[in-house]
Amino acid sequence: DTAVSQTPKYLVTQMGNDKSIKCEQNLGHDTMYWYKQDSKKFLKIMFSYNNKELIINETVPNRFSPKSPDKAHLNLHINSLELGDSAVYFCASSQETGNYEQYFGPGTRLTVT
Amino acid sequence: GDSVTQMEGPVTLSEEAFLTINCTYTATGYPSLFWYVQYPGEGLQLLLKATKADDKGSNKGFEATYRKETTSFHLEKGSVQVSDSAVYFCALSRRRALTFGSGTRLQVQP
Repeated sequence: DTAVSQTPKYLVTQMGNDKSIKCEQNLGHDTMYWYKQDSKKFLKIMFSYNNKELIINETVPNRFSPKSPDKAHLNLHINSLELGDSAVYFCASSQETGNYEQYFGPGTRLTVT
Repeated sequence: GDSVTQMEGPVTLSEEAFLTINCTYTATGYPSLFWYVQYPGEGLQLLLKATKADDKGSNKGFEATYRKETTSFHLEKGSVQVSDSAVYFCALSRRRALTFGSGTRLQVQP
């Protein structure tokens, strides 16, 4: 069973389009995250959701919006895509309490042309 | 703010060589420390962790010790294998989000 899953794995789209990436976790975790990995492999936190409440938003453009329909899902919506949005996006989850060990999904490679 | 600094790669070693990847951090308080590994084309996997000073995390022959006095969490392995070729990320955890280092690519040659 996949613990943290993302769809799609690859996404190729044109500038100006709106797209969504879905994430689901079956670990019963309370907190979910979105990270962006750039072409140099650098990883940076974008959002964190705890019990359907946004708790971190690290200076991400408002074209990006996380949506959490329930505790097991955190989707990422991106409006008006730009070339600079091309990256690999990772979803992750963790328990709220404890030492915040996070489990990652396989990633979604977004290419904006 | 919080930050993590890793040695730059790539690190190229022969099979059975000794591995050290340096990691130092800057943070207030007592963060938890992690090493994650990313194999080609895959997501990140937790390799090991340490939650307080002097803790040693270990997994699959890899080890790292949480050194508060030197703010370090260096990754070591006594004998690397070709299958260890990957990108290794050091990270610290505060306020729930992870702060990552820039990653170190390890290439192990047969």
